[in-house]
Amino acid sequence: GAGVSQSPSNKVTEKGKDVELRCDPISGHTALYWYRQRLGQGLEFLIYFQGNSAPDKSGLPSDRFSAERTGESVSTLTIQRTQQEDSAVYLCASSLDGRYGYTFGSGTRLTVV
Amino acid sequence: AQSVTQPDIHITVSEGASLELRCNYSYGATPYLFWYVQSPGQGLQLLLKYFSGDTLVQGIKGFEAEFKRSQSSFNLRKPSVHWSDAAEYFCAVGPQGGSEKLVFGKGTKLTVNP
Repeated sequence: GAGVSQSPSNKVTEKGKDVELRCDPISGHTALYWYRQRLGQGLEFLIYFQGNSAPDKSGLPSDRFSAERTGESVSTLTIQRTQQEDSAVYLCASSLDGRYGYTFGSGTRLTVV
Repeated sequence: AQSVTQPDIHITVSEGASLELRCNYSYGATPYLFWYVQSPGQGLQLLLKYFSGDTLVQGIKGFEAEFKRSQSSFNLRKPSVHWSDAAEYFCAVGPQGGSEKLVFGKGTKLTVNP
């Protein structure tokens, strides 16, 4: 597609429920990134995909967080047993070569109540 | 580990005034440096980037930034601010290791007064 698409744009969930966040990168972009942005904070790296592999998942905050990518395209970030501290905007970005910058999606705003 | 510091959390300027947003980085090698802008409710848009060559780089929307290795800085400037420039600005450095991930500063929120 023309840009990075994320869905849903907003998600409100109850504490303890599982959520799935989706990212459709720009077609042909082999690199895909997930970041988390808490209110008033900078961007916190979560995970990086090159193709369908994740060589760097060092930013995933706990084993409740997981992500996968298929077809060198769509990626899904799954948060199990959500907690209130998971409330944030989750941003996805893609790139042909991350050294030269990313293209970001508009994000998914997750609110855990 | 690499890091980015944006010393100013919030800056207010009048429309038409000049602007400088500060960014300091810590990185062991020649860095790749970026400035992104985020408007409310939006994702981040790349303003400009530096990875080699001329230390003064031009970006979109009339912004420029200067890489100063001796000061480990990459400050963003604009000679005359427009009301539409009100947004949050993030400086980033990368890549780190083999992951090509960028490390972002905490951002500077810009308010533009009429």
